[in-house]
Formats: sequence, structure tokens, C-alpha cells
Amino acid sequence: DAGVIQSPRHEVTEMGQEVTLRCKPISGHNSLFWYRQTMMRGLELLIYFNNNVPIDDSGMPEDRFSAKMPNASFSTLKIQPSEPRDSAVYFCASSPNTGSRPGELFFGEGSRLTVL
Amino acid sequence: QKEVEQNSGPLSVPEGAIASLNCTYSDRVSQSFFWYRQYSGKSPELIMSIYSNGDKEDGRFTAQLNKASQYVSLLIRDSQPSDSATYLCAVNMFPGGSYIPTFGRGTSLIVHP
Repeated sequence: DAGVIQSPRHEVTEMGQEVTLRCKPISGHNSLFWYRQTMMRGLELLIYFNNNVPIDDSGMPEDRFSAKMPNASFSTLKIQPSEPRDSAVYFCASSPNTGSRPGELFFGEGSRLTVL
Repeated sequence: QKEVEQNSGPLSVPEGAIASLNCTYSDRVSQSFFWYRQYSGKSPELIMSIYSNGDKEDGRFTAQLNKASQYVSLLIRDSQPSDSATYLCAVNMFPGGSYIPTFGRGTSLIVHP
């Protein structure tokens, strides 16, 4: 079975440019999460969706960040304009959120973003 | 304030020893607890989940949960060099009716031959 698929794996861009990260969750999972990981702050939840609906976006740093989930198999995280402090690894994770073991997360391989 | 606390380590143990990793959390209504392993440069991988007080064993791994003390731990028996990684504790918290998977900063484990 395919796991969570993220693209791009690596992105290097200049300050001020728009960055779009993409995620395809595991088929059948109804929850999707975007996390950001840095050495300084660890793994931080940015936003999560249940059944394609954003539930909590309180972790989104500021208005430069936006996320969408137009259907059950695709989500995007956009940063516009990007800044050097946005440099991090961005993980997408999905969860079936049902059954006997609710809340287990399955992570994609991450998108490493470097903003120069 | 930090909601999920872990000792950052590194925790260094000899091969074959028991590694003990600890985690405390602040939300008393939390019901779901998880341990993820993250190798350097890789994504977190779920290794254990626990939902009720007591011990849960899976191979060389044992998760222990004490809700009264708001404490969850992970024991790794017969530690191997391949267990060297960062171990992340995660707790599902309920700040406003929906759950938020919240991670600790992780404990770095080094198993030396």
C-alpha cells in the first residue's frame, strides 16, 4: 500500500517567492495534518483537517501561510511570501481516526524547505 | 508552556541494556498516547500506542501509562545499535472539543556496541 506522499522532497527558494507543498494522504484516512519541524521548536502542528474540513489552524504562524484540502486525496500548504525563518522540514501525516486505535499518525517523508 | 515534556538527552546505553524513556503531559483529559521513532533525516514512525493505564508490550518494546501521574514511558529491552534514534512522545489533547496530536521535543537515544 502506498503511504503518505509528499512533494517536493526538497525546495530551495529565495525570500519573497511563493512555495507550495503538496500531500496525498493514505486512501481511506479521514484526517490530515501538516507539521513543521525545526531543531529549535521540534515538531509543531500547523493545521489539520477532518473529512476535508479545516478543524484547527491555530498553529499556522501568520497570514503568509495557507492550507487547502479540496478533496480527500490532496492537500496543499502554501507560503507566500516566503522568509528565511520558514526554513524547516514540513511533514504531512494522515490518520484513519477510527476503529480500535484512534489517533495514530502516518507521516510522509517530508519536504525540506530552504529559503535563502 | 510546554504541554508534553521529554528529556532531550542524549540517553546513552550499552548494547543489550534496557533503555527507559519518559514523558509527562499537562492535559488531564488526554486519552491517547503514542511513541514515535525518528531516525536522523527521516520521518517519524509509530512504534507504540497506549490508551489505558498499565503496561502494553510489543516485542522488545513496553509502553507504560499512568494517567493519575500524567506520565507515559517507553522501555526498550535488549537495546540494539539500530535503536539509536530520537523517540517522540505524542499525546492527543482536547483543547476545544477536537483532539490535537501534540508532540514532545523528543529524546535522543544512543546505543553503543
